[in-house]
Amino acid sequence: NAGVTQTPKFQVLKTGQSMTLQCAQDMNHEYMSWYRQDPGMGLRLIHYSVGAGITDQGEVPNGYNVSRSTTEDFPLRLLSAAPSQTSVYFCASSYQGSSYNEQFFGPGTRLTVL
Amino acid sequence: TQLLEQSPQFLSIQEGENLTVYCNSSSVFSSLQWYRQEPGEGPVLLVTVVTGGEVKKLKRLTFQFGDARKDSSLHITAAQPGDTGLYLCAGHVGGTSYGKLTFGQGTILTVHP
Repeated sequence: NAGVTQTPKFQVLKTGQSMTLQCAQDMNHEYMSWYRQDPGMGLRLIHYSVGAGITDQGEVPNGYNVSRSTTEDFPLRLLSAAPSQTSVYFCASSYQGSSYNEQFFGPGTRLTVL
Repeated sequence: TQLLEQSPQFLSIQEGENLTVYCNSSSVFSSLQWYRQEPGEGPVLLVTVVTGGEVKKLKRLTFQFGDARKDSSLHITAAQPGDTGLYLCAGHVGGTSYGKLTFGQGTILTVHP
């Protein structure tokens, strides 16, 4: 099993550009989440999904869109990139049957917005 | 808003030394998770503690959940260079289908040979 995969690994955007960060998992997990990691701030939840067709906002959703058409895929869209969105983005999946929502993380995408 | 404060933020020690990382909150959590993250990779779950006062051991790592389930600690005995990384604690509040996690800021540990 590949676990959680993310592409691309690195990305540089100019302010105002749009892009999609890809995330896929092959563990048949029902839950998927997107986090951003900034120095000294830990991981903050952007959006999450409890199943195909169901998404909800996390702590810092502004400027990001998500959709979940299949169990495996959970892309994150930046509609108009801003320098404040420079960060490392992690996708994670978790098993609905877990009582503690333990996360399986992907390797991350390092995004720089100029 | 629930907050988790980790201390220290940075820890630089020599191989063989012992260390403790703390994770504190004013909120009660149903469980507390510890993750380790290496450079260029995503966090990996080390352990989940769920009962107040619980102690779990993972080789040289000892994890404890506070009696009131508001705090936790990670103790490493005889640290090795392979322990180097970012350690994150995360609190989980149950009761909903998707229990959001609150992450601490992290502790960057460097173990020098």
